[in-house]
Amino acid sequence: DGGITQSPKYLFRKEGQNVTLSCEQNLNHDAMYWYRQDPGQGLRLIYYSQIVNDFQKGDIAEGYSVSREKKESFPLTVTSAQKNPTAFYLCASRGDGNSPLHFGNGTRLTVT
Amino acid sequence: DQQVKQNSPSLSVQEGRISILNCDYTNSMFDYFLWYKKYPAEGPTFLISISSIKDKNEDGRFTVFLNKSAKHLSLHIVPSQPGDSAVYFCAFGSGGYNKLIFGAGTRLAVHP
Repeated sequence: DGGITQSPKYLFRKEGQNVTLSCEQNLNHDAMYWYRQDPGQGLRLIYYSQIVNDFQKGDIAEGYSVSREKKESFPLTVTSAQKNPTAFYLCASRGDGNSPLHFGNGTRLTVT
Repeated sequence: DQQVKQNSPSLSVQEGRISILNCDYTNSMFDYFLWYKKYPAEGPTFLISISSIKDKNEDGRFTVFLNKSAKHLSLHIVPSQPGDSAVYFCAFGSGGYNKLIFGAGTRLAVHP
């Protein structure tokens, strides 16, 4: 079955530590995205990548970094510079044209 | 700078009746409009979309309406079923929508 796999489902870290969230897709999609969801707010775009070895900042990129070395993979690193890292993180991918975003099931990150 | 407003955080509807979810937007550059549905602890799934050249799009029990002059997007579900209980997000894009803007979501509860 084609889809997007995010791991782990729950992640706990101490403040000051970097943490990397995994996102893998086998849909053969060129474009991949990272969104963040906070209670009572819509999904906000962190980073996106339209093609391998290229990515752009979204609306809230500060404190985050990404890489896109393979088409299938788009890991997100939450650095210690991110002031409010506790959130639900969603990875998505998209095919050609006006095809909709396909989302993974998310990773809930808690930083204490 | 809130480009999208999904003003009703929750909606309760009786099974069999119509559910109407609404979003307002301010950015006249949006040309693609989508609705996503999200169950707890899962990623959003695409439901239905409409482009700016149309004012209505139907898919089974789901109909999306676009009023460009009022900058208003709505989703009608009829008849509503208990399995429709979820959080619904409107989403807006422009120019190939590499950057989708999401509403804050409306939690729909369909009760027997």
